[in-house]
Amino acid sequence: DGGITQSPKYLFRKEGQNVTLSCEQNLNHDAMYWYRQDPGQGLRLIYYSQIVNDFQKGDIAEGYSVSREKKESFPLTVTSAQKNPTAFYLCASSISADHNEQFFGPGTRLTVL
Amino acid sequence: AQSVTQLDSQVPVFEEAPVELRCNYSSSVSVYLFWYVQYPNQGLQLLLKYLSGSTLVKGINGFEAEFNKSQTSFHLRKPSVHISDTAEYFCAVSDAGGYQKVTFGTGTKLQVIP
Repeated sequence: DGGITQSPKYLFRKEGQNVTLSCEQNLNHDAMYWYRQDPGQGLRLIYYSQIVNDFQKGDIAEGYSVSREKKESFPLTVTSAQKNPTAFYLCASSISADHNEQFFGPGTRLTVL
Repeated sequence: AQSVTQLDSQVPVFEEAPVELRCNYSSSVSVYLFWYVQYPNQGLQLLLKYLSGSTLVKGINGFEAEFNKSQTSFHLRKPSVHISDTAEYFCAVSDAGGYQKVTFGTGTKLQVIP
Protein backbone atom coordinates (compact mmCIF):
# COMPACT_ATOMS: atom_id res chain seq x y z
CA ASP A 1 0.00 0.00 0.00
CA GLY A 2 1.20 3.50 -0.81
CA GLY A 3 1.32 6.04 1.94
CA ILE A 4 3.26 8.12 4.40
CA THR A 5 4.84 6.71 7.52
CA GLN A 6 6.04 8.65 10.52
CA SER A 7 8.03 7.20 13.34
CA PRO A 8 7.91 6.95 16.21
CA LYS A 9 4.27 7.51 17.15
CA TYR A 10 5.22 8.86 20.58
CA LEU A 11 8.55 10.42 21.51
CA PHE A 12 9.82 11.67 24.83
CA ARG A 13 12.95 13.75 25.21
CA LYS A 14 14.65 15.75 27.90
CA GLU A 15 14.86 19.50 27.56
CA GLY A 16 17.99 20.59 25.71
CA GLN A 17 18.28 17.48 23.53
CA ASN A 18 17.92 17.51 19.77
CA VAL A 19 15.48 14.96 18.35
CA THR A 20 14.80 13.81 14.78
CA LEU A 21 11.37 12.81 13.53
CA SER A 22 11.17 10.46 10.58
CA CYS A 23 8.89 10.86 7.56
CA GLU A 24 8.92 8.46 4.62
CA GLN A 25 6.58 8.28 1.62
CA ASN A 26 6.26 5.72 -1.19
CA LEU A 27 3.77 7.73 -3.23
CA ASN A 28 6.46 9.07 -5.57
CA HIS A 29 5.45 12.59 -4.59
CA ASP A 30 7.83 15.47 -5.30
CA ALA A 31 6.70 17.80 -2.51
CA MET A 32 6.80 17.19 1.22
CA TYR A 33 5.78 19.27 4.22
CA TRP A 34 6.10 19.43 8.00
CA TYR A 35 3.35 20.91 10.16
CA ARG A 36 3.03 21.47 13.87
CA GLN A 37 -0.37 21.07 15.50
CA ASP A 38 -1.25 22.59 18.86
CA PRO A 39 -4.72 22.48 20.45
CA GLY A 40 -6.97 25.21 19.10
CA GLN A 41 -4.37 26.49 16.62
CA GLY A 42 -4.85 24.33 13.58
CA LEU A 43 -1.81 23.36 11.54
CA ARG A 44 1.20 25.62 11.14
CA LEU A 45 3.78 25.07 8.40
CA ILE A 46 7.34 24.49 9.60
CA TYR A 47 9.24 23.60 6.41
CA TYR A 48 8.43 22.38 2.94
CA SER A 49 10.37 20.84 0.10
CA GLN A 50 9.32 21.05 -3.54
CA ILE A 51 12.04 18.76 -4.83
CA VAL A 52 15.02 16.73 -3.68
CA ASN A 53 17.92 18.76 -2.25
CA ASP A 54 15.75 21.84 -1.88
CA PHE A 55 13.60 23.12 1.00
CA GLN A 56 12.12 26.40 2.24
CA LYS A 57 11.13 27.78 5.61
CA GLY A 58 7.48 27.92 6.52
CA ASP A 59 5.81 30.16 9.05
CA ILE A 60 7.46 28.77 12.20
CA ALA A 61 10.88 27.43 11.14
CA GLU A 62 12.88 28.79 14.08
CA GLY A 63 14.34 25.99 16.16
CA TYR A 64 13.79 23.35 13.47
CA SER A 65 15.90 21.94 10.64
CA VAL A 66 15.23 19.55 7.76
CA SER A 67 17.00 17.72 4.96
CA ARG A 68 15.79 16.26 1.67
CA GLU A 69 18.52 13.97 0.38
CA LYS A 70 16.10 11.41 -1.03
CA LYS A 71 12.73 11.87 -2.71
CA GLU A 72 10.99 9.57 -0.27
CA SER A 73 12.42 10.96 2.97
CA PHE A 74 12.05 14.32 4.74
CA PRO A 75 13.29 14.11 8.35
CA LEU A 76 12.66 16.95 10.79
CA THR A 77 15.08 17.80 13.61
CA VAL A 78 13.72 19.65 16.60
CA THR A 79 16.68 21.44 18.11
CA SER A 80 17.27 22.70 21.62
CA ALA A 81 16.65 26.23 20.25
CA GLN A 82 12.95 25.47 19.85
CA LYS A 83 11.45 27.08 22.94
CA ASN A 84 8.25 25.06 23.17
CA PRO A 85 8.73 21.79 21.26
CA THR A 86 5.97 19.70 22.85
CA ALA A 87 3.37 19.25 20.12
CA PHE A 88 1.88 16.88 17.54
CA TYR A 89 3.95 16.88 14.33
CA LEU A 90 2.43 15.98 10.97
CA CYS A 91 4.24 15.20 7.77
CA ALA A 92 2.47 15.51 4.42
CA SER A 93 3.23 15.13 0.74
CA SER A 94 1.72 16.16 -2.58
CA ILE A 95 2.31 15.08 -6.17
CA SER A 96 4.06 18.36 -6.85
CA ALA A 97 4.36 21.68 -5.11
CA ASP A 98 1.60 23.26 -7.21
CA HIS A 99 -0.72 20.31 -6.69
CA ASN A 100 -2.33 21.50 -3.51
CA GLU A 101 -4.00 18.29 -2.31
CA GLN A 102 -1.84 17.02 0.50
CA PHE A 103 -1.69 13.52 1.94
CA PHE A 104 -0.85 13.21 5.62
CA GLY A 105 1.05 10.73 7.74
CA PRO A 106 -0.25 9.50 11.12
CA GLY A 107 1.78 12.02 13.12
CA THR A 108 4.35 11.95 15.92
CA ARG A 109 3.52 13.26 19.36
CA LEU A 110 6.64 14.79 20.90
CA THR A 111 6.78 15.47 24.61
CA VAL A 112 9.74 17.30 26.05
CA LEU A 113 10.17 16.75 29.75
CA ALA B 1 -2.57 36.57 2.20
CA GLN B 2 -5.46 34.23 2.63
CA SER B 3 -7.04 33.23 5.91
CA VAL B 4 -9.63 30.73 7.08
CA THR B 5 -12.19 31.10 9.86
CA GLN B 6 -14.02 28.18 11.36
CA LEU B 7 -16.64 29.85 13.47
CA ASP B 8 -17.43 26.95 15.79
CA SER B 9 -14.76 25.22 17.84
CA GLN B 10 -17.18 22.49 18.94
CA VAL B 11 -20.47 21.25 17.50
CA PRO B 12 -22.55 18.69 19.41
CA VAL B 13 -25.26 16.94 17.40
CA PHE B 14 -27.51 13.95 18.00
CA GLU B 15 -27.01 10.81 15.96
CA GLU B 16 -29.01 10.77 12.69
CA ALA B 17 -29.49 14.55 12.83
CA PRO B 18 -28.11 16.83 10.10
CA VAL B 19 -25.01 18.93 10.66
CA GLU B 20 -23.35 21.95 9.09
CA LEU B 21 -19.79 22.97 9.91
CA ARG B 22 -19.06 26.52 8.87
CA CYS B 23 -15.98 27.79 7.06
CA ASN B 24 -15.28 31.28 5.75
CA TYR B 25 -12.16 32.37 3.95
CA SER B 26 -10.59 35.56 2.76
CA SER B 27 -8.54 35.88 -0.38
CA SER B 28 -8.21 38.40 -3.16
CA VAL B 29 -7.78 35.81 -5.90
CA SER B 30 -9.24 32.51 -7.05
CA VAL B 31 -8.95 29.77 -4.47
CA TYR B 32 -8.86 26.06 -3.93
CA LEU B 33 -10.78 24.82 -0.88
CA PHE B 34 -10.49 21.63 1.14
CA TRP B 35 -12.09 19.86 4.07
CA TYR B 36 -10.07 17.35 6.07
CA VAL B 37 -11.08 15.06 8.93
CA GLN B 38 -8.84 14.05 11.82
CA TYR B 39 -9.61 11.22 14.23
CA PRO B 40 -7.89 11.32 17.64
CA ASN B 41 -4.11 10.93 17.47
CA GLN B 42 -4.16 10.41 13.72
CA GLY B 43 -3.22 12.36 10.63
CA LEU B 44 -5.61 14.29 8.41
CA GLN B 45 -7.67 12.61 5.71
CA LEU B 46 -9.13 14.53 2.78
CA LEU B 47 -12.94 14.59 2.79
CA LEU B 48 -13.48 16.72 -0.31
CA LYS B 49 -12.02 19.52 -2.38
CA TYR B 50 -13.14 22.35 -4.61
CA LEU B 51 -10.78 23.28 -7.44
CA SER B 52 -13.17 24.56 -10.11
CA GLY B 53 -16.48 23.73 -11.76
CA SER B 54 -19.62 22.80 -9.86
CA THR B 55 -19.96 24.67 -6.60
CA LEU B 56 -21.52 21.66 -4.88
CA VAL B 57 -18.83 19.16 -4.04
CA LYS B 58 -19.49 15.65 -2.80
CA GLY B 59 -16.94 13.83 -0.70
CA ILE B 60 -16.42 10.63 1.20
CA ASN B 61 -18.56 9.33 4.06
CA GLY B 62 -21.68 11.17 2.79
CA PHE B 63 -20.31 14.68 3.31
CA GLU B 64 -20.77 17.54 0.86
CA ALA B 65 -19.81 21.20 0.74
CA GLU B 66 -20.93 24.21 -1.25
CA PHE B 67 -18.60 26.90 -2.50
CA ASN B 68 -20.22 30.32 -2.25
CA LYS B 69 -17.98 32.94 -3.81
CA SER B 70 -20.12 35.94 -2.90
CA GLN B 71 -20.18 34.93 0.75
CA THR B 72 -16.62 33.54 0.68
CA SER B 73 -17.85 30.39 2.39
CA PHE B 74 -17.35 26.66 2.03
CA HIS B 75 -19.64 25.05 4.61
CA LEU B 76 -19.56 21.30 5.16
CA ARG B 77 -22.84 19.39 5.51
CA LYS B 78 -24.09 15.91 6.18
CA PRO B 79 -27.82 15.05 6.24
CA SER B 80 -27.55 12.35 8.91
CA VAL B 81 -24.53 11.86 11.15
CA HIS B 82 -23.27 8.66 12.74
CA ILE B 83 -21.30 8.04 15.90
CA SER B 84 -18.30 7.29 13.71
CA ASP B 85 -18.34 10.88 12.42
CA THR B 86 -17.10 12.11 15.80
CA ALA B 87 -13.79 13.76 14.89
CA GLU B 88 -12.18 17.13 14.26
CA TYR B 89 -12.75 18.78 10.91
CA PHE B 90 -10.41 21.27 9.28
CA CYS B 91 -11.17 23.67 6.46
CA ALA B 92 -8.22 24.76 4.31
CA VAL B 93 -7.64 27.23 1.50
CA SER B 94 -4.92 27.99 -0.99
CA ASP B 95 -4.67 30.51 -3.78
CA ALA B 96 -5.16 28.85 -7.15
CA GLY B 97 -2.30 28.29 -9.57
CA GLY B 98 1.33 27.35 -9.08
CA TYR B 99 2.77 26.63 -5.66
CA GLN B 100 0.62 28.31 -3.04
CA LYS B 101 0.73 27.72 0.67
CA VAL B 102 -2.25 25.89 2.13
CA THR B 103 -3.72 27.70 5.14
CA PHE B 104 -5.70 25.64 7.64
CA GLY B 105 -8.48 26.73 9.94
CA THR B 106 -8.36 26.08 13.66
CA GLY B 107 -10.70 23.11 13.41
CA THR B 108 -14.22 22.18 14.54
CA LYS B 109 -14.75 19.24 16.85
CA LEU B 110 -17.89 17.37 15.91
CA GLN B 111 -19.34 15.35 18.77
CA VAL B 112 -22.12 12.97 17.82
CA ILE B 113 -24.38 12.15 20.74
CA PRO B 114 -26.08 8.74 20.78
